[in-house]
Amino acid sequence: GENVEQHPSTLSVQEGDSAVIKCTYSDSASNYFPWYKQELGKRPQLIIDIRSNVGEKKDQRIAVTLNKTAKHFSLHITETQPEDSAVYFCAASKGSNYQLIWGAGTKLIIKP
Amino acid sequence: NAGVMQNPRHLVRRRGQEARLRCSPVKGHSHVYWYRQLPEEGLKFMVYLQKENIIDESGMPKERFSAEFPKEGPSILRIQQVVRGDSAAYFCASSRQGDEQYFGPGTRLTVT
Repeated sequence: GENVEQHPSTLSVQEGDSAVIKCTYSDSASNYFPWYKQELGKRPQLIIDIRSNVGEKKDQRIAVTLNKTAKHFSLHITETQPEDSAVYFCAASKGSNYQLIWGAGTKLIIKP
Repeated sequence: NAGVMQNPRHLVRRRGQEARLRCSPVKGHSHVYWYRQLPEEGLKFMVYLQKENIIDESGMPKERFSAEFPKEGPSILRIQQVVRGDSAAYFCASSRQGDEQYFGPGTRLTVT
């Protein structure tokens, strides 16, 4: 079945710098790739997603890139701010009637 | 437009008792997912349901755990004869077509 690997498990960056989190997936039939942010003690919330017919998607300081050939996708956060500190989860799915397969999470720490 | 509702938010049970966790999905969503999360850990998929059907229960222990999503009313995750190891946050999520998932605030179960 599908397997999603996420790296790094912890990422510490200086405020204002960029952060990149990478995920790889195993099932080439996967076509939906969301990223969720979970702040301490709160629920996971979708921050951006991409479908396999698109290579890149951007929303203000957040962007996601997808390389279908290599079966990996990445989250890019530019001009990081203290409120970006959280755990970020990637996931992959083959679509309706299939569950999301989750990465293990990346703890992002923004140093002031 | 109410989001996913979960209750109770906090539940304390003694070993051997039953725990019933409820999840009301976003109005119009027919897909429900249950996840378990231990402190400092990722989301562990438990079960995926559509109205009156269990689609995938591969992440749910075969014994003591059951889930339902009836035609009317909330989805229920039931844990019988709870043990200390069941203590965790249980998140419910819902979606319309089986892709973007909206999470509830979670139920924090403590077994004493």
